[in-house]
Amino acid sequence: ETGVTQTPRHLVMGMTNKKSLKCEQHLGHNAMYWYKQSAKKPLELMFVYNFKEQTENNSVPSRFSPECPNSSHLFLHLHTLQPEDSALYLCASSQALAGGPNTGELFFGEGSRLTVL
Amino acid sequence: QKEVEQDPGPLSVPEGAIVSLNCTYSNSAFQYFMWYRQYSRKGPELLMYTYSSGNKEDGRFTAQVDKSSKYISLFIRDSQPSDSATYLCAMKLQGAQKLVFGQGTRLTINP
Repeated sequence: ETGVTQTPRHLVMGMTNKKSLKCEQHLGHNAMYWYKQSAKKPLELMFVYNFKEQTENNSVPSRFSPECPNSSHLFLHLHTLQPEDSALYLCASSQALAGGPNTGELFFGEGSRLTVL
Repeated sequence: QKEVEQDPGPLSVPEGAIVSLNCTYSNSAFQYFMWYRQYSRKGPELLMYTYSSGNKEDGRFTAQVDKSSKYISLFIRDSQPSDSATYLCAMKLQGAQKLVFGQGTRLTINP
């Protein structure tokens, strides 16, 4: 497999369910990201991990819980979600910055389309 | 005021037309400017990037940055139906990791 792979591609869950989104990157990158994409809104950065350490939490509600066991895998654990959390959740990876110049190119997965009933 | 403003469209043009997509931004410290293309049911992919001001050309695509006006553009010449997608502008500060995205413009090229 190549690139960034996300599973599942589609998920329907009730507000009381617990589910997880999975992301795996095969690019040798050391930074991974979760973004939320809603209709008519810009991409919203949720979490950033550099070398498995969380370096950014963009004021995300605690019902979203990320996990990064290694530089190639990223999870987003979901519990007690609300209908307004329905969106496309995109995982991305890049080379982490070390204070130097970087184009910031993100490589995205195809996303997990989440519907909360 | 949003950091990055982008008209969401939709924009529909005939095949062969020249397409102009634009974004404005408020933070004059942005140094890297990018355009991502997102096909339906796919993730965004980097199309072009530009550092600071100026133009960059790649085939039928030209990216322009006007830092004095805080305005960036993407031109598509001889547009093709395969160019139909959502185009997202993005930008970031030098040395920063976080990209700030525009809303995206949905473009349709009609055969």
